[in-house]
Amino acid sequence: GEDVEQSLFLSVREGDSSVINCTYTDSSSTYLYWYKQEPGAGLQLLTYIFSNMDMKQDQRLTVLLNKKDKHLSLRIADTQTGDSAIYFCAETYTGGFKTIFGAGTRLFVKA
Amino acid sequence: GAGVSQSPSNKVTEKGKDVELRCDPISGHTALYWYRQSLGQGLEFLIYFQGNSAPDKSGLPSDRFSAERTGGSVSTLTIQRTQQEDSAVYLCASRPISGRGGPGTQYFGPGTRLTVL
Repeated sequence: GEDVEQSLFLSVREGDSSVINCTYTDSSSTYLYWYKQEPGAGLQLLTYIFSNMDMKQDQRLTVLLNKKDKHLSLRIADTQTGDSAIYFCAETYTGGFKTIFGAGTRLFVKA
Repeated sequence: GAGVSQSPSNKVTEKGKDVELRCDPISGHTALYWYRQSLGQGLEFLIYFQGNSAPDKSGLPSDRFSAERTGGSVSTLTIQRTQQEDSAVYLCASRPISGRGGPGTQYFGPGTRLTVL
């Protein structure tokens, strides 16, 4: 069945780049997403990438997709303390409505 | 504009009691999802409503869980005879029938934290 896996924790220094990784199993994935969850809040969509793309950049965020290895990454440049949150990787597949979420990576940013 | 709202924000109940959780989606959004988020776990899909179609209930963990959506807008998730393992954050999300980014482009409410003692 579908599965999305992420490492649970990442710690970086303020100003450094953060790279959060995700692997997924469903080769028919159409869209892949990164969501951010701050304490006590719901999830907020950060960015998404269509499966026929390799890379997408949006200001400080860069998404890389390796479809062959079913690997997705989110790079946050110049990480700030306000970036401390849980980041969820998610996928949907052609013709579906379900979105499969990973367990989330908790990003700690040290000042 | 107004986002997705959920109430209550926190609910503490005793084992065996019934609880109702409410979700108000963004106006005009035809699709509505309920998820459960347990500590250290990803989001577990519970149920999906799309317009007037029959809901997809395939994620409901037991027959103690049910949900309804009235008038294509507000939704209520009901948990009967609550158990301690039901303790979690229950998230609601909505999305328009079409839009950029596919079906995973969802707008989430802040969630209801349910604690069953």
